Amino acid sequence: DVKVTQSSRYLVKRTGEKVFLECVQDMDHENMFWYRQDPGLGLRLIYFSYDVKMKEKGDIPEGYSVSREKKERFSLILESASTNQTSMYLCASSLTGAGMNTEAFFGQGTRLTVV
Amino acid sequence: ELKVEQNPLFLSMQEGKNYTIYCNYSTTSDRLYWYRQDPGKSLESLFVLLSNGAVKQEGRLMASLDTKARLSTLHITAAVHDLSATYFCAVRNSGNTPLVFGKGTRLSVIA
Repeated sequence: DVKVTQSSRYLVKRTGEKVFLECVQDMDHENMFWYRQDPGLGLRLIYFSYDVKMKEKGDIPEGYSVSREKKERFSLILESASTNQTSMYLCASSLTGAGMNTEAFFGQGTRLTVV
Repeated sequence: ELKVEQNPLFLSMQEGKNYTIYCNYSTTSDRLYWYRQDPGKSLESLFVLLSNGAVKQEGRLMASLDTKARLSTLHITAAVHDLSATYFCAVRNSGNTPLVFGKGTRLSVIA
């Protein structure tokens, strides 16, 4: 089974802190994604990566950065946390290609509260 | 820009009844996905639909895809309480582009 593991289920951070959210997948997937989920807004893409050291902005990258130094690990960084970044953060990974097994597999989510 | 719309966003249905959730998308796509999310949990993949006319069934859930109409449906047959969850459809343009999600349909099945 594909396993996508996020480092924390719950985090509480103070405004202005630098926050690191870590995500690790164990299925050798090329693609990794960070989404945030907010009530009424669904899932919105923050950043994604198709390969090591490669990153692409999603729909809402402002206030965030990412790092992918190894294939299995994709980190989301909040440079200076703000209260409007309080949200559920979901990491996902997927294979490249046109076959059936290309759906995204999600981690358990990190609920971040910025106070 | 690819947009995905689901309706309804909220659905309360009685046990034993049938209902359909609709997912419309705005541009050509090579595949469509349905996910389920239980409260406080992450997303679980339900179906992957690859081609026009594709139909997939699992238990009381059946998903179909009409690429010409840019429409997918998730049909619920004889609903039971265990189906209460939020259901998302997601669409991919092509290749390795990320999934774009609808806002989800929160389903509540009541006795």
